[in-house]
Amino acid sequence: QQQVKQSPQSLIVQKGGISIINCAYENTAFDYFPWYQQFPGKGPALLIAIRPDVSEKKEGRFTISFNKSAKQFSLHIMDSQPGDSATYFCAASIEEYGNKLVFGAGTILRVKS
Amino acid sequence: GAGVSQSPRYKVAKRGQDVALRCDPISGHVSLFWYQQALGQGPEFLTYFQNEAQLDKSGLPSDRFFAERPEGSVSTLKIQRTQQEDSAVYLCASSLAGQGNTEAFFGQGTRLTVV
Repeated sequence: QQQVKQSPQSLIVQKGGISIINCAYENTAFDYFPWYQQFPGKGPALLIAIRPDVSEKKEGRFTISFNKSAKQFSLHIMDSQPGDSATYFCAASIEEYGNKLVFGAGTILRVKS
Repeated sequence: GAGVSQSPRYKVAKRGQDVALRCDPISGHVSLFWYQQALGQGPEFLTYFQNEAQLDKSGLPSDRFFAERPEGSVSTLKIQRTQQEDSAVYLCASSLAGQGNTEAFFGQGTRLTVV
């Protein structure tokens, strides 16, 4: 059962543009929603995370928008750069269950210079 | 070391062979997780330790998979009688707290290829 659905599978954006990746979840018990960035041959690295008590969180060029009623959240990368080219994963977890992460299938982002 | 260290980085095993994958978490991290990442997919949860206690092993795909963390630090994931479908990257992650939404730090993974 895929509990976190991520789209699109791949994305090509021009340098300076906005990259938008969307995720939807099913389990309303999820209470932590991180985004991870993964480069080839590396492990995932935390980019930014949000809890359901806020609707938006911004860190530098990265923003998470969260819609609790729709059970959706998205990552926006402003002023996208070639160095942002990577695979991005959304995830969700439940604090009570030790915070094991349920990942989306990933989005391959390519930023063209 | 400063981060989560996994060894070996690459492992080629013949079908039916047993393998052992090692994870050295960040010093002092209470929680340790193992994930399996198939090619082109997101990581999938295998098992979770809090110190030396294995609190959740619901993601282990079969009884051929076994994990341990006997002293609450280093962990080993063992796969017996490997099959081709076991080919994947095995990721280890650790986090500071036993509970609470704290950041999980991932290692670079071990790429297992079963031939």
